[in-house]
Amino acid sequence: KQEVTQIPAALSVPEGENLVLNCSFTDSAIYNLQWFRQDPGKGLTSLLLIQSSQREQTSGRLNASLDKSSGRSTLYIAASQPGDSATYLCAVVPYSSASKIIFGSGTRLSIRP
Amino acid sequence: GAGVSQSPRYKVAKRGQDVALRCDPISGHVSLFWYQQALGQGPEFLTYFQNEAQLDKSGLPSDRFFAERPEGSVSTLKIQRTQQEDSAVYLCASNPSARGPYNEQFFGPGTRLTVL
Repeated sequence: KQEVTQIPAALSVPEGENLVLNCSFTDSAIYNLQWFRQDPGKGLTSLLLIQSSQREQTSGRLNASLDKSSGRSTLYIAASQPGDSATYLCAVVPYSSASKIIFGSGTRLSIRP
Repeated sequence: GAGVSQSPRYKVAKRGQDVALRCDPISGHVSLFWYQQALGQGPEFLTYFQNEAQLDKSGLPSDRFFAERPEGSVSTLKIQRTQQEDSAVYLCASNPSARGPYNEQFFGPGTRLTVL
């Protein structure tokens, strides 16, 4: 059974720092991995989607990497800003059940001004 | 532009009541998903529709949960005889592809259900 783990559960850093969020998954047989952002009381916003054949994706200050063989992904945020404060969720689509997305529990990020 | 909308945004129900939650996907989107998100947790898959066909309902927690999408657009998630453990945020997502979740998902704001 595919499981997705995100560590740490919460993170607080001062504004301007570069930071890395970690995601691990137990089964490397995945179609893709996606990073989402969730603001309090709101739905999820897709940030980056990495197909299984890709190693990384970049969008602005965000860079996500994927190492399928080790079951790991990282989300790198450069020059963090208070507006980056949110919960970041990692999710995979497994081969075993390709109609569903399996989510981690998220990392709650707080950027201090 | 119009995104995925859900109604109501908040619902309080007494234990034992039936509730119906509505999802309006982005127009033309083929795939539609329902998720349940407990406090402090990631969303958990409930069910998947491709147009009007419910292709996967393996995540529905019990036979009290029922979902439909009769015309391939709007979807309704119905929970019968609600129980306290049903309290959660229910999220709807859609995408234009017929290939399920292989592509970017567009999420609605969710319905927060509280069962007293």
